[in-house]
Amino acid sequence: AQSVTQLDSQVPVFEEAPVELRCNYSSSVSVYLFWYVQYPNQGLQLLLKYLSGSTLVESINGFEAEFNKSQTSFHLRKPSVHISDTAEYFCAVSGRSYKYIFGTGTRLKVLA
Amino acid sequence: DGGITQSPKYLFRKEGQNVTLSCEQNLNHDAMYWYRQDPGQGLRLIYYSQIVNDFQKGDIAEGYSVSREKKESFPLTVTSAQKNPTAFYLCASTPGQGYNSPLHFGNGTRLTVT
Repeated sequence: AQSVTQLDSQVPVFEEAPVELRCNYSSSVSVYLFWYVQYPNQGLQLLLKYLSGSTLVESINGFEAEFNKSQTSFHLRKPSVHISDTAEYFCAVSGRSYKYIFGTGTRLKVLA
Repeated sequence: DGGITQSPKYLFRKEGQNVTLSCEQNLNHDAMYWYRQDPGQGLRLIYYSQIVNDFQKGDIAEGYSVSREKKESFPLTVTSAQKNPTAFYLCASTPGQGYNSPLHFGNGTRLTVT
């Protein structure tokens, strides 16, 4: 069975500081990994994905994540956050079961 | 613009009543999903459908039912058998039947049962 762990339920960080949101997964088969962002009372929006190839993937708004197979991790990073990055972030994994498994989410609070 | 439409955005019902949440997509996606979101629990899979007239139970299907009569529509019925129906419900879809494409989400329906 697959599972996803996001250990940090909340991460406060000052504006323009760097941030890392952690994601670890468990799977016995090859996986595809995703990060989504959710603003209040809205659906989830895809931030970035790892399907194959380069282990470092980037989004258009400055986030990046690195797939680390040996550590079964897919941590999300941004070198300098903005107030507008305040949201909840979800890590997800999919595999041959045709199910997408989500972590419990991390609330990023950017402080002025 | 293509997308997923969930309606209504807010829904209020009395305990003991069945209620149906609408999900329509014009993305021409084959697979559709229903998730339930509760604070601190992430998203949990209720039902999914990879093709018309076929669907499978997810991890928390008890008290819910679905139908997939058309490719673009995947309504979810919350029955009176669901013990804790108050939650935020999200519908999603992916192209093909696969698992290597990201999910596209609607904006959700917040259901409150009193």
